[in-house]
Formats: sequence, C-alpha cells, structure tokens
Amino acid sequence: GNSVTQMEGPVTLSEEAFLTINCTYTATGYPSLFWYVQYPGEGLQLLLKATKADDKGSNKGFEATYRKETTSFHLEKGSVQVSDSAVYFCAPSGYGGYNKLIFGAGTRLAVHP
Amino acid sequence: DTGVSQNPRHKITKRGQNVTFRCDPISEHNRLYWYRQTLGQGPEFLTYFQNEAQLEKSRLLSDRFSAERPKGSFSTLEIQRTEQGDSAMYLCASSLGRAGDTEAFFGQGTRLTVV
Repeated sequence: GNSVTQMEGPVTLSEEAFLTINCTYTATGYPSLFWYVQYPGEGLQLLLKATKADDKGSNKGFEATYRKETTSFHLEKGSVQVSDSAVYFCAPSGYGGYNKLIFGAGTRLAVHP
Repeated sequence: DTGVSQNPRHKITKRGQNVTFRCDPISEHNRLYWYRQTLGQGPEFLTYFQNEAQLEKSRLLSDRFSAERPKGSFSTLEIQRTEQGDSAMYLCASSLGRAGDTEAFFGQGTRLTVV
C-alpha cells in the first residue's frame, strides 16, 4: 500500500548547522507533498508544500523539492536556529481519493546553542 | 477566526466508559478530517467528511467509533466502551476546496487517557 518513510530521529544539531531530513514515499499517481511541523505544546502546522514534479516549496528558510524520479521530498535548511526545535512530518496527500494526508512517523529535531 | 478548535483538550476516563470529543472547524471549510496520534508516531487517518457527508472511514475505526458532522459544521467523535488501547491524541483538521494541494489546518487535539 501507499506509505511514507522518514529519516529516524532524534536529530541533534548545533545552531547554524545544515539540516537535511529525508522523506521518500510510494505513490499511485502524483500526490501533492507537504511538510508539517509540530512545535512543543502546539498543534500541527503547515511548513511548506509542493504540488507537482520539480516544484520547490520554501518557508522560514526551509526548502524541499518534489523529486518524482526518486519519489522523494527531502527537507533542508542551511542554518538552523534553536527555535527550529520541533517534530517534522512529511505527508503526501491525494492518496486514494479525498486528499487525506498520509503522515510519516515524524523526525524530532533538537537544536542547541 | 481562531482556527480549528477541539474540546476538551484532555479527557481521562475509565475503561468501558463512553467519551465524545468535539471539533469546530474553520468557518466555511467544507472538509473535515479526524486523525489519531500515539506517542512517537505520526497522525493516522480515521475519517473524512465533505460537508455533512462521511465519505471515508479507515479500517482503524472499529465499530466502537462513530463520527458525525450534522449540518456540515462542527463534528463529534464518539468512542464507546473505551479500551486502554484507545489512549491517544485525537486530532481534527479542516480545509477548503476540492484539490489535493490545499492546506489542512489542525486543532491542538484532545488527549484521551483510558485508565
């Protein structure tokens, strides 16, 4: 069946380090791809999205490119901050009708000063 | 608009009791989703409404679970005869439109603990 595989966490980085969180998915058709973030004590919120092949989503210094050939949507940031500490979820949508999101297990990021 | 609102935020119940959660989506959002999230895992899809019609239910949703969305506004999720395995965070999300690229807005969830 359809699934999402995310890099296991926790990922621990020093401030200003480069971040990559890998995400690959299996798909029938061409889903839209999302990264959601969950900050401590808060609800899930959209970080960025891409809706078709080769699109790049970006927000708050984070980027991810829709790679159809490798069915991947890796999240990157050039210089992380302590405030980026959160759990990050990769989620394709449009699976099986009704556009429900299928979430990965999440990757916890901890950034220390 | 204050976003998606879920009540209660926390619920502790004894095994075998029934519980009901409420979700108030963002006004005008025609789509409403329920998810369940356990510790260390991503949210798992439970059910989907388009307006008042429940169009999809996950196999995770046993017959002890029922959801409604009367008049296409707020939604309720009821769990009958709760079991310890039902302990989880129950998330509600809403979105507007028909396309798969629209953003889903999530509430802060209801944390259920079955003792």
